[in-house]
Amino acid sequence: DAGITQSPRHKVTETGTPVTLRCHQTENHRYMYWYRQDPGHGLRLIHYSYGVKDTDKGEVSDGYSVSRSKTEDFLLTLESATSSQTSVYFCAITSSLDPMGNEQFFGPGTRLTVL
Amino acid sequence: DQQVKQNSPSLSVQEGRISILNCDYTNSMFDYFLWYKKYPAEGPTFLISISSIKDKNEDGRFTVFLNKSAKHLSLHIVPSQPGDSAVYFCAASARGSGNTGKLIFGQGTTLQVKP
Repeated sequence: DAGITQSPRHKVTETGTPVTLRCHQTENHRYMYWYRQDPGHGLRLIHYSYGVKDTDKGEVSDGYSVSRSKTEDFLLTLESATSSQTSVYFCAITSSLDPMGNEQFFGPGTRLTVL
Repeated sequence: DQQVKQNSPSLSVQEGRISILNCDYTNSMFDYFLWYKKYPAEGPTFLISISSIKDKNEDGRFTVFLNKSAKHLSLHIVPSQPGDSAVYFCAASARGSGNTGKLIFGQGTTLQVKP
């Protein structure tokens, strides 16, 4: 199994508060991704990173920011949490853009509830 | 605009029979397709993939079929086992120039295999 951990695993917060989720990998992989999973939507990409300090937006990036100061850590920040950001958040990594495949390996997820 | 669709939210089959999960896509730039399996409270795990240059890929009990003209792929599980009960996500990727490894996921299909 790919060495990916996410913290916290569960969090309950109030509307308007800032929240930071952490993804940590021990694989030294270049690419990291943040997804959210919601019923009826599957997994949707929020932001991704293709190297230290190199990040870009995904399809549902509004209200989220990310940072990657080290290869092993990718942080997702909700500057001011809203109830619509209640979701399960998954981090994923892929080692390269090998033409043979773009398999991503996922962390265990963080369940976030915004009251 | 949902570029990858799994139109069946759920599927129930008897143990030992075949499970067929379907997925449709709209973007003709997609050239690599993946299936993920997800158990409750865990991250998705990679199951099988197929490149657009193939129409079939097999791995043990799992076979993925790709029909490019119909923009349709399916996952066959034979024989189905109770441990296969999970949510299955179809995902697609465009690996051309500027490949960033981004995956577009379908909504998921919940498979229940009854003993």
